[in-house]
Order: sequence, then structure tokens, then C-alpha cells
Amino acid sequence: EAGVVQSPRYKIIEKKQPVAFWCNPISGHNTLYWYRQNLGQGPELLIRYENEEAVDDSQLPKDRFSAERLKGVDSTLKIQPAELGDSAVYLCASSLLQGSHEQFFGPGTRLTVL
Amino acid sequence: DAKTTQPPSMDCAEGRAANLPCNHSTISGNEYVYWYRQIHSQGPQYIIHGLKNNETNEMASLIITEDRKSSTLILPHATLRDTAVYYCIVRASNYGQNFVFGPGTRLSVLP
Repeated sequence: EAGVVQSPRYKIIEKKQPVAFWCNPISGHNTLYWYRQNLGQGPELLIRYENEEAVDDSQLPKDRFSAERLKGVDSTLKIQPAELGDSAVYLCASSLLQGSHEQFFGPGTRLTVL
Repeated sequence: DAKTTQPPSMDCAEGRAANLPCNHSTISGNEYVYWYRQIHSQGPQYIIHGLKNNETNEMASLIITEDRKSSTLILPHATLRDTAVYYCIVRASNYGQNFVFGPGTRLSVLP
């Protein structure tokens, strides 16, 4: 069974440029999560989707970050414009249901903003 | 903020048991204890979870104290591939509760 797929794995951009990350969750998983992980810290939740609905986006910086999950499957996280402080690893995870004990994480996208 | 406290780092000799402690003194009655680990350049991976009783699976054992204020993750025979950051998380089973990751414990398994 394929795991959570993310692309690209690495991205280097200059500040003020836009960037987008893509995630394909495990087939049949209704809940999808985007996390941001700064160096030396644990992942922090940015947004949680249940099917195509964003049910928790309280930690998403909405002035520059946006996300979508069309048809309740793939998801895209966008930053526009990127700032130096956005350099981090962006992780996507999925679970069968919101309360599932196990979340399955992708390998992440490492973003470097110069 | 994370509701757990873990040592920042630990070493373990290869082949020996690795015992990773976690304090969660403010845990509520409906909150589970979860352990995830993150190997370098990978996303976190689920290991085990428990509510009150000790649990064991093919990866590890989870020992929860009777008052539930602390727990220990045990890797019975650590290998070099167990070198990773280990996260202890408490989360309620209520709808809408998210995992809150702290900085975890960096376990180094030494040859």
C-alpha cells in the first residue's frame, strides 16, 4: 500500500516568491493534515481537513498561507509571498478518521527561503 | 503547548533496552498517551498508544504508571535503526482534538 506522497521533497526560493506543496494521502483516508516543523522542534498543525472541508485552520497564517483539498483527496498548501521565517519542513499526514489513533505522515517538503 | 515533558536526549547501547520516560502530570481521564518517532529526513511514525493499561506491540512496550502521571516507552533490543526523535503526546479521544508535538527525546543508539 502506498503511503502519503508529497512533492516536491525540496524547494529553494527567494523571499517574496510564491510556493506550493502537494500532498496525496493514503487512499480512503478522510482526514488530512498539514504540519510545519521548524528545526529542532516537533511538528505544529497548520490545518486539518475532513474530506474537502477545512475544520481546523486556527493555526494557519491566513495573510499569506492558503490550502485546498479539492474532491476530498489531494491537497495543496500555498505560501504567497514567502518570508525568510517560512523556512521549515512542511509535513502532510492523513488518517482514516479525525479521531484515529494513528496518523500516517509523508516525508515532508523542506523549504528554504533565501 | 505540549502537555508532556521529556528529556532532550538519551543514549543507548545497541542490543540493550532503551527506556524513554515521559511526564504528563496534568493528564485528564479521557486522554490517551501516544508515542511517535521521527527518523532523520522522514515524517513521524506511530509507535504505540495506551489509556490505562500497559501495552505491547511488535515495535515497543508502553508502561503507564497507576496514577497515569508518567509513562515509559521501552524498545526491548535497540538497533542502530532506532536512532530517532521520540515524541510523547497526550490527546483526548473527543472529536476535534489534535496531536500537539513537543521537542521530543533524541535517542542515539550507539554501536
